[in-house]
Amino acid sequence: AQTVTQSQPEMSVQEAETVTLSCTYDTSENNYYLFWYKQPPSRQMILVIRQEAYKQQNATENRFSVNFQKAAKSFSLKISDSQLGDTAMYFCAFMKHAKGGSEKLVFGKGTKLTVNP
Amino acid sequence: DADVTQTPRNRITKTGKRIMLECSQTKGHDRMYWYRQDPGLGLRLIYYSFDVKDINKGEISDGYSVSRQAQAKFSLSLESAIPNQTALYFCATSDLGLAGGSDTQYFGPGTRLTVL
Repeated sequence: AQTVTQSQPEMSVQEAETVTLSCTYDTSENNYYLFWYKQPPSRQMILVIRQEAYKQQNATENRFSVNFQKAAKSFSLKISDSQLGDTAMYFCAFMKHAKGGSEKLVFGKGTKLTVNP
Repeated sequence: DADVTQTPRNRITKTGKRIMLECSQTKGHDRMYWYRQDPGLGLRLIYYSFDVKDINKGEISDGYSVSRQAQAKFSLSLESAIPNQTALYFCATSDLGLAGGSDTQYFGPGTRLTVL
């Protein structure tokens, strides 16, 4: 069974600075997706970024980028130029990329990020 | 994501009552999911459906049932609510991805359910 571990329950960063959230996962699969979702106080689950395991290039979305290390099973999220609106819980998630099966998202327990003014 | 809506947004009920949570989507996706979120546990899958005639149990389906009324609608029912079903419930949808598997899942705004 796949597991996702986020080792930092809480983090804080000053506005305009850069912060990196860590995520490791355990799987025997070769083809899969990895995601970062953001959950602000409004509780909405918002997709931040996704990475296909077969792609070597790290995904980027504006101020958000990932460092995907497949061999190390590591998938960290870097937030540049942090903004107050980035304050939220961040969840790392894994999903098999294959036909059949539940294809469920397996979530980590989350990292609570606070951006301070 | 406004393309996935859930009703109600908040609900307080009593033990033993039957409750239905509804999910609608305008994304045109075939695949729909129900998750629950408990503090400190992340999200866990309750049921999922790949089309109107295909419904499957997730990891925590006991005490829940679902109905896929149409491609765009997927309802979750608690036949006899109990206090440990107090949680935040999310509906999600996805398209068909490469290799026949699911693509990215997009979530509704969530329903906060409290069972007294």
